[in-house]
Amino acid sequence: AQKITQTQPGMFVQEKEAVTLDCTYDTSDPSYGLFWYKQPSSGEMIFLIYQGSYDQQNATEGRYSLNFQKARKSANLVISASQLGDSAMYFCAMREGWDYKLSFGAGTTVTVRA
Amino acid sequence: NAGVMQNPRHLVRRRGQEARLRCSPMKGHSHVYWYRQLPEEGLKFMVYLQKENIIDESGMPKERFSAEFPKEGPSILRIQQVVRGDSAAYFCASSPDIGGGLSETQYFGPGTRLLVL
Repeated sequence: AQKITQTQPGMFVQEKEAVTLDCTYDTSDPSYGLFWYKQPSSGEMIFLIYQGSYDQQNATEGRYSLNFQKARKSANLVISASQLGDSAMYFCAMREGWDYKLSFGAGTTVTVRA
Repeated sequence: NAGVMQNPRHLVRRRGQEARLRCSPMKGHSHVYWYRQLPEEGLKFMVYLQKENIIDESGMPKERFSAEFPKEGPSILRIQQVVRGDSAAYFCASSPDIGGGLSETQYFGPGTRLLVL
C-alpha cells in the first residue's frame, strides 16, 4: 500500500499568491514524522519543514507552513507569497516509529507565473 | 542540506560496466542512507549504513548492487554490470544520530545522475 499519496502532479500559481500542496499518509504507528522537501530543476533535495505526530501546533518555517489534520491523515504544505524561485518539485515524506527510512510520495510540480 | 557531498554529479556508463558512486556525509554525521529516484518518481530507500556496518539493505536489489561505509573515507554505492534500467538519480543522505528521534532530519546531497547507454 502506498504510504504517501500526493494527488496533484502539477500546479500553477501566480507570483505572490499562496499555494497548497496536498499530502495524505497511511500508517498504523502512532509515532511518525512528516517531512517536506523541495527539488528544484538543478536536482538537489532541500529540506523545508517537519511535523511530528504528537506536535500540538502546525509547523511553520518562514513562508512554509504545514496544515496538519491528524484525523484525516493529511499534511498539506502551504507556501505563502509565492516567488519565482519556488518553482520546483515538492515531495512529502514520512518516517514511522523508530524506523529510519523515509517513504516519499510521487511529488507535485509547482510552477510560479510572473 | 549543505555539506553532503556526492561525486560524480553525472556518470555515463555502457551496459556491462561498473558504476561507483561516492558520498561524503555532513561533518559530524555517522549515518548514511542511499535512495534512488527513477524518472518522474519519488525517492525509494535502498540502504542504510553506519561506519563499517550495513544496518538495512532491504531496498537494494539482491544482485549487482553493493554499498559500504568504511571507517575512513566516503560511502560507496557500487553497481556492477549496469543495465539500462539502472539509469536514475542516486541520492545520499546523512543524519547525526537516530537517537534524535522522529524529527531527526536527513540531509541530502546533490545526487548522482547515472545514465546507462
